[in-house]
Amino acid sequence: AQSVTQLGSHVSVSEGALVLLRCNYSSSVPPYLFWYVQYPNQGLQLLLKYTSAATLVKGINGFEAEFKKSETSFHLTKPSAHMSDAAEYFCAVKIYGQNFVFGPGTRLSVLP
Amino acid sequence: GAGVSQTPSNKVTEKGKYVELRCDPISGHTALYWYRQSLGQGPEFLIYFQGTGAADDSGLPNDRFFAVRPEGSVSTLKIQRTERGDSAVYLCASSLTGASNNYEQYFGPGTRLTVT
Repeated sequence: AQSVTQLGSHVSVSEGALVLLRCNYSSSVPPYLFWYVQYPNQGLQLLLKYTSAATLVKGINGFEAEFKKSETSFHLTKPSAHMSDAAEYFCAVKIYGQNFVFGPGTRLSVLP
Repeated sequence: GAGVSQTPSNKVTEKGKYVELRCDPISGHTALYWYRQSLGQGPEFLIYFQGTGAADDSGLPNDRFFAVRPEGSVSTLKIQRTERGDSAVYLCASSLTGASNNYEQYFGPGTRLTVT
């Protein structure tokens, strides 16, 4: 069965600094990979997804992620953090015929 | 257009009571998912509907949990004999048919269930 790990339950960056949120997955077959953002008291919003096309995926709000098969990783980055990026971020994996599996999440704080 | 809606937004109930949580998916979305999110954790899969039928209910924790989607649109998650451990946010998501849209899900705001 597939699984997802997110290194760092809480990440703090200064406004304008690089954002790097880590996601590693385990899967025996090529996966679909997703990043979702969750603002307080709201549902999850899709940031971006990898679906076996380009390995570098661009999403909303300036975020992007790169699929690295050799490292089984799908890390999320943004060149310059904004205060409005403070939220909880979840990585998820989906394999055909199996359920979605979400990681435990990383809370991003942006310091002024 | 309208997104996924869930009612109620908050539900407080006593241990042992029965509760129903409702999900209205995006119109035209044939796939519907229920998840449970405990504090500080990611969503945990409960059940997946394709149309009216439950295609996968392997995530339901026990037989106190049941979900229906009788007309292939609105879904209701039912919990019998609630326990304090059932307290969580219950999320609903919908999508166009499975793989055809690369499994892109749209989430509702959730129902926060508190069992006292």
